[in-house]
Amino acid sequence: EVQLVQSGAEVKKPGESLTISCKGSGYSFATYWIGWVRQMPGEGLEWMGITYPADSQTRYSPAFQGQVTISADKSINTAYLQWSSLKASDTAIYYCARGATTVDPWGQGTLVTVSS
Amino acid sequence: QTVVTQEPSLTVSPGGTVTLTCASSTGAVTSDNFPNWFQQKPGQTPRPLIYSTNNKHSWTPARFSGSLLGGKAALTLSGVQPEDEAEYYCLLYDGSARLSVFGGGTKLTVL
Repeated sequence: EVQLVQSGAEVKKPGESLTISCKGSGYSFATYWIGWVRQMPGEGLEWMGITYPADSQTRYSPAFQGQVTISADKSINTAYLQWSSLKASDTAIYYCARGATTVDPWGQGTLVTVSS
Repeated sequence: QTVVTQEPSLTVSPGGTVTLTCASSTGAVTSDNFPNWFQQKPGQTPRPLIYSTNNKHSWTPARFSGSLLGGKAALTLSGVQPEDEAEYYCLLYDGSARLSVFGGGTKLTVL
């Protein structure tokens, strides 16, 4: 079964750093693009960016360029979404999802809460 | 950046037919945008329904179909069921930039 399993919920303070993860299984992880999607409370889906684990190519939506870092480690079939300095406005559910043109499957989501 | 526009809300009666659309600010949506459609119910992870314009996943009910219509991507539900009440999102791919953009979502009410 093709599956993406994300790391658990996080509660952080503004200014702290954070890395969340997404582990793929059941397929050749390195040869599929894997992206990240944000959903702020009560809002729609926002495509953040995407990475290709085989060669580390990464693309960011302009709204997220410079705000987060997307990466992957093909040796352990895991993609990452990283913040160096969180803001309260980063509070959201973050999903990983496989694929650039056929987006499936999705991870279960990671709730990130940033509050002082 | 490309803006993708969907109807904010639609209402349909049970058993009826409804079409949701997905437009791009850069021009006509084509198969090269590989339109994907997702269904999301409250508190749940988005569920993929359609990929590459009109291809269904194995779990996608037959009453859902995707197409290109008048320069837009379209999702048609025929014989709507009460359980189809949900938020629906389209996703368009820009091959030249290798970026994708979600539409704002359509809240479908069945009553």
